Amino acid sequence: DGGITQSPKYLFRKEGQNVTLSCEQNLNHDAMYWYRQDPGQGLRLIYYSQIVNDFQKGDIAEGYSVSREKKESFPLTVTSAQKNPTAFYLCASSVTGISYNEQFFGPGTRLTVL
Amino acid sequence: EDQVTQSPEALRLQEGESSSLNCSYTVSGLRGLFWYRQDPGKGPEFLFTLYSAGEEKEKERLKATLTKKESFLHITAPKPEDSATYLCAVGPQAGTALIFGKGTTLSVSS
Repeated sequence: DGGITQSPKYLFRKEGQNVTLSCEQNLNHDAMYWYRQDPGQGLRLIYYSQIVNDFQKGDIAEGYSVSREKKESFPLTVTSAQKNPTAFYLCASSVTGISYNEQFFGPGTRLTVL
Repeated sequence: EDQVTQSPEALRLQEGESSSLNCSYTVSGLRGLFWYRQDPGKGPEFLFTLYSAGEEKEKERLKATLTKKESFLHITAPKPEDSATYLCAVGPQAGTALIFGKGTTLSVSS
């Protein structure tokens, strides 16, 4: 049963902490993406990766970091430099990184700063 | 600047009352237009991809159409379970990333 999994579903962060959000896919997709969703705003791209060991910054990369060591995995770290991290985080994947391929999304992680 | 605008922001319908959601776009060449459904607290669920003006796709009570400047998502005889936020995204000719609209939140009451 192919799909995208994200964990945890809910995450709480204290001020000054780094936290890592997990994203795994078994769709054999080359491209993976991280988005942030805030109330009343569209999805905003944080980072994307078109192939293993390569990734590019999106529109709002400051305060975030990623790695792509395996095709199936694309973890996102929210660092203490991200001043307003409370949001809903969505991971997605597509067959390739070309923009005519539909993206498929995971269930999301809701991050709250305490 | 590439841009996607969805209207209305919110739409309330009675069960069985058909209507349409609009997605207008300005991009430097269109590779694809995508519709998604998102339920509260969940990730978007893929619905349709449209590639060229004049193309139409249907799924149950939903029908998506595409022109050179906009796309419509027609909802025929909606049911309460169609209540969700519907997102539109475009894939521009240049670049990799999709550009998302802010969505239309549909509420269908019985």
